[in-house]
Amino acid sequence: QKEVEQDPGPLSVPEGAIVSLNCTYSNSAFQYFMWYRQYSRKGPELLMYTYSSGNKEDGRFTAQVDKSSKYISLFIRDSQPSDSATYLCAMWAGTYKYIFGTGTRLKVLA
Amino acid sequence: EPEVTQTPSHQVTQMGQEVILRCVPISNHLYFYWYRQILGQKVEFLVSFYNNEISEKSEIFDDQFSVERPDGSNFTLKIRSTKLEDSAMYFCASSDSRLALYNEQFFGPGTRLTVL
Repeated sequence: QKEVEQDPGPLSVPEGAIVSLNCTYSNSAFQYFMWYRQYSRKGPELLMYTYSSGNKEDGRFTAQVDKSSKYISLFIRDSQPSDSATYLCAMWAGTYKYIFGTGTRLKVLA
Repeated sequence: EPEVTQTPSHQVTQMGQEVILRCVPISNHLYFYWYRQILGQKVEFLVSFYNNEISEKSEIFDDQFSVERPDGSNFTLKIRSTKLEDSAMYFCASSDSRLALYNEQFFGPGTRLTVL
């Protein structure tokens, strides 16, 4: 079983839709959970990070963690064409490295 | 806003040649990382570096790879004898603290390495 699993998509939605992106993980040692956005041929850019189970909101973005199910989500409200990118989940277990999911490619259609 | 920079943006090399990828981390950061992303695949950790030594490395980071902080600002990744399968995007990252707490890693824009 992979440490972090993420549906690669692509996911196409109309402008204004609510987008749900998800990752599952197997390593219960993961403590922090990050969502990065990556535009084509660019470096990952941190959107949000969460620690505990529950929700964390930042503008149109909400990150959700369910440690009991080993499941994390990122919701994007009122999606815009500029949100079109690849969204990477990443996890940190207290060592030096991040473990990334494969990324979900999102396309928001105008 | 401070950012991680990387040069070159694209490097083309012949198989068997040595390449050096360069990074300038954010100036007050103490921890440095290299990751790679083969086209269409996930971002993978290669190595972390702190206090002039490797703190952790992955199984990918074999003897053909080395890292160095030659001066107070640059952080380099050297690939001694490149192989076709080394073709990937290489990302440098830096963070200012690890301790026992979460350390946000800031990523550079990447260097695309193409091995012919």
